[in-house]
Amino acid sequence: QQPVQSPQAVILREGEDAVINCSSSKALYSVHWYRQKHGEAPVFLMILLKGGEQKGHEKISASFNEKKQQSSLYLTASQLSYSGTYFCGTENTSGTYKYIFGTGTRLKVLA
Amino acid sequence: NAGVTQTPKFQVLKTGQSMTLQCAQDMNHEYMSWYRQDPGMGLRLIHYSVGAGITDQGEVPNGYNVSRSTTEDFPLRLLSAAPSQTSVYFCASSYKYGSHQPQHFGDGTRLSIL
Repeated sequence: QQPVQSPQAVILREGEDAVINCSSSKALYSVHWYRQKHGEAPVFLMILLKGGEQKGHEKISASFNEKKQQSSLYLTASQLSYSGTYFCGTENTSGTYKYIFGTGTRLKVLA
Repeated sequence: NAGVTQTPKFQVLKTGQSMTLQCAQDMNHEYMSWYRQDPGMGLRLIHYSVGAGITDQGEVPNGYNVSRSTTEDFPLRLLSAAPSQTSVYFCASSYKYGSHQPQHFGDGTRLSIL
């Protein structure tokens, strides 16, 4: 039931771009993106809402395809500080109140 | 603001022991939840609460109990600890489910069961 994220891991050089995908089997109300540094708690990045409204964060943006129940996170001109594990979190429209996280994508940016 | 506070930060238990992980938030959030994080499996929902007196099971509830007697507190109880419950546990809160507001996480409790 967890949303599936792809890729599972990615290694970049500074300045390169990356795309992280999140795919759910349930109809989604919203998708949230978080980044977690090693040994720390996840930190909120942005939220994508049903209907297309988007909130951004510096050089990181995202899209939400309601019909496909998918969201993608775009990291542009990556920086060393972008390293970490990225999670999508989902609120679904099924009538339950479960806030479910994806499987995670480990991203490493090299100098 | 303290945000979400979890105690203890580290704990080692023996198989069969019970314990309670504490979680408190000072933001007057209605929604609170517990997750466990294991390598390669992301954050898995154990239990959640949409308000004081209301709790429900998440995706991996077996072996855990919760209660929500106040808005602020949401303790997680391990009834009889098993090695499979070795994990990092995160408590999170948000204003309200579906309110388009982010979840705020505590710093986590690292639990080892021997």
